[in-house]
Amino acid sequence: EAGVTQFPSHSVIEKGQTVTLRCDPISGHDNLYWYRRVMGKEIKFLLHFVKESKQDESGMPNNRFLAERTGGTYSTLKVQPAELEDSGVYFCASSQFFDTGELFFGEGSRLTVL
Amino acid sequence: GQQVMQIPQYQHVQEGEDFTTYCNSSTTLSNIQWYKQRPGGHPVFLIQLVKSGEVKKQKRLTFQFGEAKKNSSLHITATQTTDVGTYFCAGTGANSKLTFGKGITLSVRP
Repeated sequence: EAGVTQFPSHSVIEKGQTVTLRCDPISGHDNLYWYRRVMGKEIKFLLHFVKESKQDESGMPNNRFLAERTGGTYSTLKVQPAELEDSGVYFCASSQFFDTGELFFGEGSRLTVL
Repeated sequence: GQQVMQIPQYQHVQEGEDFTTYCNSSTTLSNIQWYKQRPGGHPVFLIQLVKSGEVKKQKRLTFQFGEAKKNSSLHITATQTTDVGTYFCAGTGANSKLTFGKGITLSVRP
């Protein structure tokens, strides 16, 4: 069974540019999460989809971040325009159950904003 | 808001030594999970604890959930070089949101 896949694995962009990260969850997992980790910090929650609906987007830093999950399958996270503080590793995770299930993480997309 | 604390962030042990780390929450948790991230890798689920005082073992790893469901511990017996990585705890609070700690990065000297 394929795991959670993320693309790209690494992106280097300049401040002000746009980047779109993609996540393909495990098939059949209705719950999809985006997290971000800055070096030495906690894995910080960004948002949670249940199928195509945003269940909780309280962790999104600001309106430069836009997440979508069309059709309840893969998800994209767009950062526009990117700022230096957006650098970090963006993890996507999926789970079958909400609230009590283990999360299956992707390999992460490392974003570097110069 | 809910906070999950892991202190310290780094620990170095000699291979063969035991290792214990703790996780503390500012609020009562419904469950707690532990993840391990190998260098260059992604977090991988290890265990979930749900009941007050629950203890679970996985080979040389022992996980415990506190009686008040506000803290947890991870104990590794006789560490090996394969144990290196960052161990995260994550707790689910009343808001049903999973909150991660900063993690503790373990290095093992052979």
